[in-house]
Amino acid sequence: AQKVTQAQTEISVVEKEDVTLDCVYETRDTTYYLFWYKQPPSGELVFLIRRNSFDEQNEISGRYSWNFQKSTSSFNFTITASQVVDSAVYFCALSEDTDKLIFGTGTRLQVFP
Amino acid sequence: EAQVTQNPRYLITVTGKKLTVTCSQNMNHEYMSWYRQDPGLGLRQIYYSMNVEVTDKGDVPEGYKVSRKEKRNFPLILESPSPNQTSLYFCASSLKATGVSETQYFGPGTRLLVL
Repeated sequence: AQKVTQAQTEISVVEKEDVTLDCVYETRDTTYYLFWYKQPPSGELVFLIRRNSFDEQNEISGRYSWNFQKSTSSFNFTITASQVVDSAVYFCALSEDTDKLIFGTGTRLQVFP
Repeated sequence: EAQVTQNPRYLITVTGKKLTVTCSQNMNHEYMSWYRQDPGLGLRQIYYSMNVEVTDKGDVPEGYKVSRKEKRNFPLILESPSPNQTSLYFCASSLKATGVSETQYFGPGTRLLVL
């Protein structure tokens, strides 16, 4: 069965700290896609990254980086030098052979000045 | 500007009073979908549409209806709302529904309270 687990319900850090948000997924498919979305306090969902199961290269985008490891079924997200504007709920999601997204329950990140 | 729009953004209603939440996208996307977000549950898919006149149930379709008469619009209909449908609703769209999962772009959300 397909499932996404974000075990960290809430994380609090002080500005400039690095923080890693964990995402563990379950799927029986060999072809699948993983996503991260950000939901700031204003409520909208902002797409951050899409990664397919055949591409295990880590990705870096500014202060954001993603570590995809098929061996542990994980797709973790790290924010380097966190800022107050990073405060949000972050969702990891999985998609298999359809466009339906299976979301994790989200991790609320609070960055304090 | 490429976007997904939803209306209304906030709605308070009473049990049993039919309502429609509209969703429109201007990106010529084939795939559209509705999700609801509830605390501790993340987002769950209600209905989706692969193209005009093609709709199907998601994980939590009970109490909802949809239609896809035009490519750009995908309204969500609650024929007889109940308090357990109080939630935050998101419409999403993606370019194609080809089995190669495209990135879905989300509307701003509609916060619904059913009394």
